[in-house]
Amino acid sequence: EPEVTQTPSHQVTQMGQEVILRCVPISNHLYFYWYRQILGQKVEFLVSFYNNEISEKSEIFDDQFSVERPDGSNFTLKIRSTKLEDSAMYFCASSLAGGTGELFFGEGSRLTVL
Amino acid sequence: AQSVSQHNHHVILSEAASLELGCNYSYGGTVNLFWYVQYPGQHLQLLLKYFSGDPLVKGIKGFEAEFIKSKFSFNLRKPSVQWSDTAEYFCAVTPQQAGTALIFGKGTTLSVSS
Repeated sequence: EPEVTQTPSHQVTQMGQEVILRCVPISNHLYFYWYRQILGQKVEFLVSFYNNEISEKSEIFDDQFSVERPDGSNFTLKIRSTKLEDSAMYFCASSLAGGTGELFFGEGSRLTVL
Repeated sequence: AQSVSQHNHHVILSEAASLELGCNYSYGGTVNLFWYVQYPGQHLQLLLKYFSGDPLVKGIKGFEAEFIKSKFSFNLRKPSVQWSDTAEYFCAVTPQQAGTALIFGKGTTLSVSS
């Protein structure tokens, strides 16, 4: 069964460092998403991406965040200068259709900022 | 802004007990509704979804949910839980328009004892 894969599974970084989280969505999917879950809190939407551009972003997704689809398979989330409060589990998801389609999630990348 | 409320933070049941997890959303328009499940150490998986039609939807593993439009609710039910149902359950909603992100509730942790 096709699945969304994410790397790394866990990353520890120092405050102020740049972090890139990588995702390989399901190959025929067209919509890509990043969500995050701070420990003990809800899963929060960060950004959606379609047709090589951001289609929607939340207020969390400020200038320190960026997304890219550098080739035909990867979908990355970059955090430019990490803060302690960026520590969270980051989930990538993809779907064939936006809004009405089922999202398929990766297993998540746990980011710990020290 | 849209929001999703899950009333129970942690539910503890014995095997064979019946389950009902509450979910309410705030959005005035037409919505798609979802329940996702996250088993320990695994990624988020779709349990069931409602787009239109019969408000009682059946999902995998014996779960069902009922959409009550007048109450803005989409409660999840299972007549008889099993130990393997131990997981975190997330209700999510999105307006019925393409490219719009899922908004998640805070999640309910279900612990089933054998």
